[in-house]
Amino acid sequence: QQQVKQSPQSLIVQKGGISIINCAYENTAFDYFPWYQQFPGKGPALLIAIRPDVSEKKEGRFTISFNKSAKQFSLHIMDSQPGDSATYFCAASRPGQFYFGTGTSLTVIP
Amino acid sequence: GAGVSQSPSNKVTEKGKDVELRCDPISGHTALYWYRQSLGQGLEFLIYFQGNSAPDKSGLPSDRFSAERTGGSVSTLTIQRTQQEDSAVYLCASSSNTGGDTEAFFGQGTRLTVV
Repeated sequence: QQQVKQSPQSLIVQKGGISIINCAYENTAFDYFPWYQQFPGKGPALLIAIRPDVSEKKEGRFTISFNKSAKQFSLHIMDSQPGDSATYFCAASRPGQFYFGTGTSLTVIP
Repeated sequence: GAGVSQSPSNKVTEKGKDVELRCDPISGHTALYWYRQSLGQGLEFLIYFQGNSAPDKSGLPSDRFSAERTGGSVSTLTIQRTQQEDSAVYLCASSSNTGGDTEAFFGQGTRLTVV
């Protein structure tokens, strides 16, 4: 049973465009929602994270939007760059466990 | 080292052989996780260690899989009688505690190929 559902599976965006990846969860016990970025041959690395008591968090070109009532959160990458091409995983966490989405392969075309 | 270290980085084994994958977590991290990533798939949870507590083995796919963590530090994931469907990247992660907003740090993974 997938605790966190992520979409789309793959995404192609032109350089300078906005990349949007969506995730949904069911368990209201989750209290931390990180996004991880993974480049080929590397392990995932934390990109940005949010707690459920805020609706938005922005770090540079990366923004998480969080909708607690809908149990949904999304990653927005503004002014997407070719160097952003990677696989992105959303996750939901509660003490002792991380649940990851299935990942989104992002390709930014120059 | 400053990060999570996994070895070997690549492993090719024959079907039916046993393999051991090693994870050195960040020093002082009490929580350690193993995940499996198959081609085009997400991160599949395998097992979780926290301090001296009994591990959460709920993600292990079969009794051919086992893991141990010695002295609360290094962990070894063992796969017995490997099958071709075991081919995947095995990722280890550690974190400093089990509370919320705790970052999990991942190793670079071990790519296992069963031929």
